[in-house]
Amino acid sequence: LAKTTQPISMDSYEGQEVNITCSHNNIATNDYITWYQQFPSQGPRFIIQGYKTKVTNEVASLFIPADRKSSTLSLPRVSLSDTAVYYCLVSGGFKTIFGAGTRLFVKA
Amino acid sequence: GAGVSQSPSNKVTEKGKDVELRCDPISGHTALYWYRQSLGQGLEFLIYFQGNSAPDKSGLPSDRFSAERTGGSVSTLTIQRTQQEDSAVYLCASSQPAGLDSWGSYNEQFFGPGTRLTVL
Repeated sequence: LAKTTQPISMDSYEGQEVNITCSHNNIATNDYITWYQQFPSQGPRFIIQGYKTKVTNEVASLFIPADRKSSTLSLPRVSLSDTAVYYCLVSGGFKTIFGAGTRLFVKA
Repeated sequence: GAGVSQSPSNKVTEKGKDVELRCDPISGHTALYWYRQSLGQGLEFLIYFQGNSAPDKSGLPSDRFSAERTGGSVSTLTIQRTQQEDSAVYLCASSQPAGLDSWGSYNEQFFGPGTRLTVL
């Protein structure tokens, strides 16, 4: 399973765009990249998933370069409620490995 | 519809006692996962079920840990002779059949609220 590396923490202000980059140098051909969000005292919640190029949904965008060795989660115009831990996962099957995640703190 | 539920929400036990943690997955989800999360840490994968079968039990920390699933629905994680290092939040998730979905991507996991286990 490919290991992922993310920044431990990030700070931002309300209304800013936040980009969180994840490195996964050993990603395999059939691996997908998935991001989850976790609030305190709750289980993680799926945000977005992609294989290559760019994926966008109602809450985020995911940018994946051609070599797929990294990915960037982009959160447009964050609010205080986006303060959470964000996990990048690389998975080619049922076994899902969560890293330590990135703790995002959004300030007013 | 109802999400993944777990019980109890909190469990305090004494070292050496056995505990059972329960997970009720979303109806129709055939895949079920157990994770453990220690304070301030990421999630540690423990085991997954496809139906009632657990193809890979290598994530279980020791032979004191076991899990079963019956009727393709409810799952129980049992920890025997609990130790203080077992203290953590135990999370359960469920999904459509594990693996690729019809769109060629991996199925989203839906998590329960977790059971906070404290071993004194």
